[in-house]
Amino acid sequence: EVQLAQSGAEVKKPGDSLKISCKGSGYRFSDYWIGWVRQMPGRGLDWMGIIFPGDHYPGQSNVVYSPSFKDQVTISVDKSISTAYLHWSSLKASDTATYYCARWFVRGDPIGFDPWGQGTLVTVSS
Amino acid sequence: EIVLTQSPGTLSLSPGERATLSCRASQSISNSYLIWYQQKSGQAPRLLIYGASRRATGIPDRFSGSGSATDFTLTIARLEPEDFAVYYCQQHGSSPYTFGQGTKLEMK
Repeated sequence: EVQLAQSGAEVKKPGDSLKISCKGSGYRFSDYWIGWVRQMPGRGLDWMGIIFPGDHYPGQSNVVYSPSFKDQVTISVDKSISTAYLHWSSLKASDTATYYCARWFVRGDPIGFDPWGQGTLVTVSS
Repeated sequence: EIVLTQSPGTLSLSPGERATLSCRASQSISNSYLIWYQQKSGQAPRLLIYGASRRATGIPDRFSGSGSATDFTLTIARLEPEDFAVYYCQQHGSSPYTFGQGTKLEMK
């Protein structure tokens, strides 16, 4: 079974750094893009960015950020342990949200985010 | 960036009724790269429809998608109690792959 298992809930203070994780299993991790999606309390879904864990080609980036999140977070991956990460260097109260990772599924044509992780709740409060 | 506007914001219907949800794009979406997700309270979203009209694996045939270019529709033919949830559209015709703001389908 294809699964994405995310790290547990976090409570942090403004200015703290944080890295949350997303571990894939049940499929060849390096073959599919992994994306991150934010959901603020009571709000909709915000596409943050996406990363390809496999080998990329010279001159091509394997990470694409939404302009809204570029320079706000860092998306990375360690394919040796089938894990993607979302990192903040300095959290703000407005980063309080549930963060989902999801596999960008392609079967010939792109399909969409499937499956999704269970979500990681990040609470930033002084 | 493509902006997706979903309507209505909230739809109040009864089990057995037909639901029609709209997703309108600020510019044409190439290749009908439009996806629908369902999100139940406290759960992660679930993929329903991709390519505007193709049902994902395991999705009941009461769910159908249609549309092209800038106007897309998700139809639920006969609502079951488990269908009451929030529905989001997402485009992947151009980066960033934006989501609509969601339509809440609530039980009347």
